[in-house]
Amino acid sequence: GQQLNQSPQSMFIQEGEDVSMNCTSSSIFNTWLWYKQEPGEGPVLLIALYKAGELTSNGRLTAQFGITRKDSFLNISASIPSDVGIYFCAGRMDSGTYKYIFGTGTRLKVLA
Amino acid sequence: ETGVTQSPTHLIKTRGQQVTLRCSSQSGHNTVSWYQQALGQGPQFIFQYYREEENGRGNFPPRFSGLQFPNYSSELNVNALELDDSALYLCASSHLGLASFGPGTRLTVL
Repeated sequence: GQQLNQSPQSMFIQEGEDVSMNCTSSSIFNTWLWYKQEPGEGPVLLIALYKAGELTSNGRLTAQFGITRKDSFLNISASIPSDVGIYFCAGRMDSGTYKYIFGTGTRLKVLA
Repeated sequence: ETGVTQSPTHLIKTRGQQVTLRCSSQSGHNTVSWYQQALGQGPQFIFQYYREEENGRGNFPPRFSGLQFPNYSSELNVNALELDDSALYLCASSHLGLASFGPGTRLTVL
């Protein structure tokens, strides 16, 4: 099935460092969402983006909707051990359905 | 506000069997979507139900079917199970453009 290109695939970082990840698509989306998933759980919504160029923050998390509408970025500042998990981007083209295309995921590990 | 719940949490079936997974949507959410998440991958859209009718479908064969009930709860049925159907099945209830996911049902097909 179709998946968005997400990078990096995984990363180990030191506690306190900033983290950046991105997601790219060959298609234009009208909504971008960022989710975090921990083992044995479903994805939890972190940030929603609705307009090209939009920059939205949620605590230490900041995400941007790319100007071309084909990409999105997520930054985590001053990482802490509980940031560990898999981060997924998801894009939606059709405003009539909730069909989201998900990225391949970025696995984040934080070293204390 | 009650979140999305799914049952059962885990299930083991053999190839060729049929399975039914259940989902109770978040209060006030009238749209339910189902996703399949294979190990190490992102979720893949199966289909969506709105007002008890399917109104969007991903690239899944007809042996994947569903129902939505008047209280917006939903079922996912999979017939003639195949080994590749082993995955985490996620239900998402949606409102105002946002999908909230349940914890999922882990299905193992032997």
